[in-house]
Amino acid sequence: SQTIHQWPATLVQPVGSPLSLECTVEGTSNPNLYWYRQAAGRGLQLLFYSVGIGQISSEVPQNLSASRPQDRQFILSSKKLLLSDSGFYLCAWSERYEQYFGPGTRLTVT
Amino acid sequence: GQQVMQIPQYQHVQEGEDFTTYCNSSTTLSNIQWYKQRPGGHPVFLIQLVKSGEVKKQKRLTFQFGEAKKNSSLHITATQTTDVGTYFCAGRLDSGNTPLVFGKGTRLSVIA
Repeated sequence: SQTIHQWPATLVQPVGSPLSLECTVEGTSNPNLYWYRQAAGRGLQLLFYSVGIGQISSEVPQNLSASRPQDRQFILSSKKLLLSDSGFYLCAWSERYEQYFGPGTRLTVT
Repeated sequence: GQQVMQIPQYQHVQEGEDFTTYCNSSTTLSNIQWYKQRPGGHPVFLIQLVKSGEVKKQKRLTFQFGEAKKNSSLHITATQTTDVGTYFCAGRLDSGNTPLVFGKGTRLSVIA
């Protein structure tokens, strides 16, 4: 069966520090991968999605970037975090139509 | 761009009452999906509707897709405390790889 891993589960970072969040999927090949951000009590904002290795589409211009170095690995990065980057970051994968979300990373930028 | 509007934003009900959340798209959708996110958790896929006028049931949950494929609803009969969470609809313009467009969700609170 397929599983999706995200780490870390929680993170507290100072403003201006770098960020690297990792997501890996097991049990499937060539999945579509997604990064979402959810502000407290709010909806899901799609940040990036990827249909294959090295193929990244950005939905919202901001100080974040994404990379897909391997088929089942998706990384979200930032060189300098802003206060507004705080939120719940969710990775998701899909093969056909439904999306499966990871457990998420709660990021607090102080 | 495509928007998916969802109402209400919040709903508080007494246990045993019914609950409905509505989803409307500015454009015709290829399909619509519903997800549930429990407090502190991540969204979990519930169902997908594809056909015009489609109705699907999962126990006390009834999902409908409008005839014009621009609106959808989720109805819960006789809510229970286990129904607490945020319900999201998500639509897709085509049947390909384009990303889902999520509504902002309806947060349901159930008072025992």
